[in-house]
Amino acid sequence: QVQLVQSGAEVRKPGASVKVSCKTSGYTFTDNFLHWVRQAPGQGLQYVGHIYPKTGDTHYAEKFQGRVTMTTDTSISTAYMDLTSLTYDDTAVFYCVRETWYYAHWGQGTQVTVSS
Amino acid sequence: DIVMTQSPDSLAVSLGARATINCKSSQSVFLSSTNKNHLAWYQVKPGQPPKLLIYGASTRVSGVPDRFSGSGSGTDFSLTISSLQAEDVSLYYCQQYYNIPRTFGQGTKVEI
Repeated sequence: QVQLVQSGAEVRKPGASVKVSCKTSGYTFTDNFLHWVRQAPGQGLQYVGHIYPKTGDTHYAEKFQGRVTMTTDTSISTAYMDLTSLTYDDTAVFYCVRETWYYAHWGQGTQVTVSS
Repeated sequence: DIVMTQSPDSLAVSLGARATINCKSSQSVFLSSTNKNHLAWYQVKPGQPPKLLIYGASTRVSGVPDRFSGSGSGTDFSLTISSLQAEDVSLYYCQQYYNIPRTFGQGTKVEI
């Protein structure tokens, strides 16, 4: 079955960076776009961006442009999201999602906490 | 970006009663090349990833109870829970997957 397993919770200071991983299995990694979604406390779900593992092409939401980098390692079917210049507003759960138009398969989420 | 607006923000429903959540998109999400409305509904519970309930506006995911149903076309959609159960207390989000960026409604909290 399709599985997406994300790395564990992270705590960072303001201004720091964080890299979240998403290891996939149960499907051909290069066949589907891999999206990232953020859920901040008391806020809704927000598209962060996506990557097409077959080509490495990326698209980032305007809000995160310049601060986010998405990459993949196709040899281990794993995607990464690197977020820099963290602020308190970046405290959130980040999900990786296998995209098949809609979002049927989600990672378990990674809590990123920005705290001094 | 397509703006998704849900109503109401929250609703309280008695056990066994009907709950209806509305979702309006700022432009049509009907894609002629697929002949489908690119609208999905998700259920979100604390500490869990979102769960896909409905896609194509009205197609229920396998395993989702048939008390959940989706309807609508173009820009106006609804999610109905025909007979609310205790386990349905949750946040619900609509999402358009017509284009990028994927956008979600602000969420509707369903309580008993």
